[in-house]
Amino acid sequence: GAGVSQSPSNKVTEKGKDVELRCDPISGHTALYWYRQSLGQGLEFLIYFQGNSAPDKSGLPSDRFSAERTGGSVSTLTIQRTQQEDSAVYLCASSLGGQDNEQFFGPGTRLTVL
Amino acid sequence: QKEVEQDPGPLSVPEGAIVSLNCTYSNSAFQYFMWYRQYSRKGPELLMYTYSSGNKEDGRFTAQVDKSSKYISLFIRDSQPSDSATYLCAMRSIIQGAQKLVFGQGTRLTINP
Repeated sequence: GAGVSQSPSNKVTEKGKDVELRCDPISGHTALYWYRQSLGQGLEFLIYFQGNSAPDKSGLPSDRFSAERTGGSVSTLTIQRTQQEDSAVYLCASSLGGQDNEQFFGPGTRLTVL
Repeated sequence: QKEVEQDPGPLSVPEGAIVSLNCTYSNSAFQYFMWYRQYSRKGPELLMYTYSSGNKEDGRFTAQVDKSSKYISLFIRDSQPSDSATYLCAMRSIIQGAQKLVFGQGTRLTINP
């Protein structure tokens, strides 16, 4: 079956511009996660959605970052007024939810801020 | 100090060698332990998942967890060139509602034919 998909696969933007990154989770998965992977920092948690519960935003690095999940499915991560340090691969994952469920990752969006 | 420490390598070994990858952690609340494999330009994929201390084997892969020492390992036997990838350890807390994974930095592994 289809896995987690993300778009675009690559995004180049100028400093100060806003960007939107999209994630389509696996059908039926109630939990959705965003992570960021950058050189020297590894993979860092950003935000987590579970069903209709309030999202866990504890990993968002600044108020320039926000995310929403519409209809319990597709999610969009928005970065406003991008900075060069935002350059990274943004990974989305989904799972069935619950303590033991595996997180399945998408291929990521590679963001470059010039 | 990071919650999870992993030697980033790079690590290069000949085909057929036994590979040992390791992570240490500081948070006693971590109770779920995972190893992910990530090929270049791809997302991580789950290799091994363990909850308790001890060993878990799956084919050529063995995951080992020592909670008393806060140390986990992944062993790869009879390594193949197709095993060349970045290996990431990941952990999750047992605290109710804590779903985020905390990753090590990843070890880049190359198996030379």
